[in-house]
Amino acid sequence: SNDLTQPPSLSVSPGQTARIACSGDILSRQSAYWYQQKPGQAPLLVIFKDTERASGIPGRFSGSSSGTIVTLTISGVQAEDEADYYCQSGDITDTYPVFGGGTKLTVL
Amino acid sequence: QVHLQESGPGLVKPSETLSLTCSVSGGSVTSNYWSWIRQSPGKGLECIGYMFFTGRSNYNPSFASRVTLSIDTSKNQISLQLTSLIPADTAVYYCARARRSGSGYYFDYWGQGSLVTVSS
Repeated sequence: SNDLTQPPSLSVSPGQTARIACSGDILSRQSAYWYQQKPGQAPLLVIFKDTERASGIPGRFSGSSSGTIVTLTISGVQAEDEADYYCQSGDITDTYPVFGGGTKLTVL
Repeated sequence: QVHLQESGPGLVKPSETLSLTCSVSGGSVTSNYWSWIRQSPGKGLECIGYMFFTGRSNYNPSFASRVTLSIDTSKNQISLQLTSLIPADTAVYYCARARRSGSGYYFDYWGQGSLVTVSS
């Protein structure tokens, strides 16, 4: 079972705000990271250390953290943001990296 | 810009050993940690393990009994060996650069992935 839990899917209209949550006990003591994956491509780092945007990532992507829940927010969603999004942190014993199950973001 | 490129067989028989190589360019394997991650339809993204060129490594317990990671500094390559393959090992295997953050790690550069099918 995943140590990190995400909703399997989310649908938003262009221009709206998408918020993808990720929950897990490890998040209260370890940072979270977010990846975007489009079909046929490798994952791309979007957010690191809970809130830092990776190089080249548009400003509409942001991350936040509160207790055991971290959230990826995409403000003003664009069609090109349609992808799978994965959170990542450590496992519950804090020994190796684990990923959430992923959230498929659909832009209507 | 770091670039990673996986190579290996696309098809492997059950019970055999998978060997994958990842060539690194734009950076040295003697800096940072390096990792193998796989993605299968049934289990999503799984970190198999990570290692430093000195040999320091850590493996996901789900794979620890049948996986070996290695680094060849002369070729600037990292390698994965996974033994006793079963059909459930069918997945896309990625190599990635692992960056340390506190006590954890994250992945800032990925290869394009190598599809491995386990079938007789």
